Amino acid sequence: QVQLVQSGAEVKEPGASVKVSCKASGYSFTGYFFHWVRQAPGQGLEWMGRINPNIDYRSYARKFRGRVTMTRDTSTSTGYMELTSLTSDDTAVYYCARESATTSTLDYWGQGTLVTVSS
Amino acid sequence: EIVMTQSPATLSVSPGERATLSCRASQSFSTNLAWYQQKPGQAPRLLIYDVSTRATGIPARFSGSGSGTEFTLTISSLQSEDFAVYFCQQYDTWPLTFGGGTKVQIK
Repeated sequence: QVQLVQSGAEVKEPGASVKVSCKASGYSFTGYFFHWVRQAPGQGLEWMGRINPNIDYRSYARKFRGRVTMTRDTSTSTGYMELTSLTSDDTAVYYCARESATTSTLDYWGQGTLVTVSS
Repeated sequence: EIVMTQSPATLSVSPGERATLSCRASQSFSTNLAWYQQKPGQAPRLLIYDVSTRATGIPARFSGSGSGTEFTLTISSLQSEDFAVYFCQQYDTWPLTFGGGTKVQIK
């Protein structure tokens, strides 16, 4: 079965960077786009960007360009999201998600990784 | 970007009753609209895509409708497991955008 398993919670100081991983299993990793979505405490969902693991093509939301980098390791079927210059506004749960084969909907999600930015 | 606005923010419904959730888009599009359900401490789950197509394993009591800028998710007879937050999402234009959510709570 399809599974996305993310790395554990992180606590970072303002100005630092964080790198979250997401290991995929149960499907062909290079056959589907891989997305990152975040959710601040008690808030809605915010799309950050996506990567095509096959050709390493990335597309980022304008808000995060210059601060976010999405990468992948096809040998381990793992996606990564690194966010730099963290502020308290970046405190959120970060999700990875697989894009459906037929629509740009997100049909499988990781369990989420809480990133807390605090001094 | 397309702004998605959901209403109401909170909906109080008794088990067995019908729930109707609304989602409005800032610009018109045809069918590229999805709904997700999120329970506390869990990731969102895809319920409906292409406005009205249920995702795999989603019960028939969930239905979607609408076009243009107005979309609706209907839960025909609420079960205990349906009390959750629901988000709409458009995938007509990049970036993907989500509504702010509607919390369905027990009345």
